[in-house]
Amino acid sequence: GDSVTQMEGPVTLSEEAFLTINCTYTATGYPSLFWYVQYPGEGLQLLLKATKADDKGSNKGFEATYRKETTSFHLEKGSVQVSDSAVYFCALLTGNTGKLIFGQGTTLQVKP
Amino acid sequence: EPEVTQTPSHQVTQMGQEVILRCVPISNHLYFYWYRQILGQKVEFLVSFYNNEISEKSEIFDDQFSVERPDGSNFTLKIRSTKLEDSAMYFCASRVATTYEQYFGPGTRLTVT
Repeated sequence: GDSVTQMEGPVTLSEEAFLTINCTYTATGYPSLFWYVQYPGEGLQLLLKATKADDKGSNKGFEATYRKETTSFHLEKGSVQVSDSAVYFCALLTGNTGKLIFGQGTTLQVKP
Repeated sequence: EPEVTQTPSHQVTQMGQEVILRCVPISNHLYFYWYRQILGQKVEFLVSFYNNEISEKSEIFDDQFSVERPDGSNFTLKIRSTKLEDSAMYFCASRVATTYEQYFGPGTRLTVT
């Protein structure tokens, strides 16, 4: 079945460091891909999305490119801030009802 | 900005008891979902709901689970006889018909003792 695999966390970075969180997927066809973020005590918020191959989703300085050849959707940010500390989830859309399949989440901690 | 709300934020119950988790989706949304996340594990799909009926459910969603939209605003998940392994964070989500972007609530942490 469809699945998503994320890099293990936690990831600890200093402020202004470059961030990459790896995400790969297994799916039939070309599903839409998403990154969600969960700040402490809050729900999952959509960070960015891409609906077809080679699309680049971007938001708040974060980017991810849909790579069908490597079945990947890695999240990147050029310069992280303390406020980016959160749990990041990669997800794919599957089925007729629009359900999401999530990766296991990656905790990011940014230190000043 | 409209948001999905969930109550309670934390529920503690004894094994075998019934619990009802409540969600208020965004008002013009038509598709509703429940997901759960056992501590340290992935967020897992439970059920989707549209037009007052279940449109898809996972193998986790067995006869102990049910969902209902009792009025125009609430969307509930009922667990009839809770088990220890039902302890998890339960997330509600909703979306409009024209996009697959789901909006999530903050979750209800269910602890079964």
